[in-house]
Amino acid sequence: GQQLNQSPQSMFIQEGEDVSMNCTSSSIFNTWLWYKQDPGEGPVLLIALYKAGELTSNGRLTAQFGITRKDSFLNISASIPSDVGIYFCAGLTLKLDSNYQLIWGAGTKLIIKP
Amino acid sequence: EAQVTQNPRYLITVTGKKLTVTCSQNMNHEYMSWYRQDPGLGLRQIYYSMNVEVTDKGDVPEGYKVSRKEKRNFPLILESPSPNQTSLYFCASSLIGNYEQYFGPGTRLTVT
Repeated sequence: GQQLNQSPQSMFIQEGEDVSMNCTSSSIFNTWLWYKQDPGEGPVLLIALYKAGELTSNGRLTAQFGITRKDSFLNISASIPSDVGIYFCAGLTLKLDSNYQLIWGAGTKLIIKP
Repeated sequence: EAQVTQNPRYLITVTGKKLTVTCSQNMNHEYMSWYRQDPGLGLRQIYYSMNVEVTDKGDVPEGYKVSRKEKRNFPLILESPSPNQTSLYFCASSLIGNYEQYFGPGTRLTVT
């Protein structure tokens, strides 16, 4: 089946550093979504990308939908302690009868060094 | 407050003892879904439902059942749980045509 490769698996960074993570696939997606999961909670949507080449920002977060439609990246600028968590990418493919399927990356765990 | 609720949040059970995890949403969403999350594997879809009485298998449906008798509720049933179903389970919902899913807080299940 379809797979997403999300990297890196984990990141140890200093507060104030910029962060970059990405997802790649051999399949084309119609939409890319980036979610964040805080410890003990469910994932929360950060950014949705609907068009190839699209660059979207949400505060200190910036994400891009790759031109080939097979990849996406998420950048976080000037990280702060509350950025800690697991970040997931998800690629969406449309199916018949208004249905769709989300394929999820394995997640990038962000840890901020004290 | 718009939300997806799951119960219980934590459950320890033994092999073979039937259990149900409930999921409820108050946003009038048509689409609901169950995922399991395992380390290094991300989220894998178990079952989903496009509307009342319409359910379909996701990527890992074996050993699970669901029902959708009302729009707001989408329970996950494990008829005979096994240790390989130990996992963190999430329910999610969205409007049809809107891909932004809202997740519940998760249910951590341990099967011994």
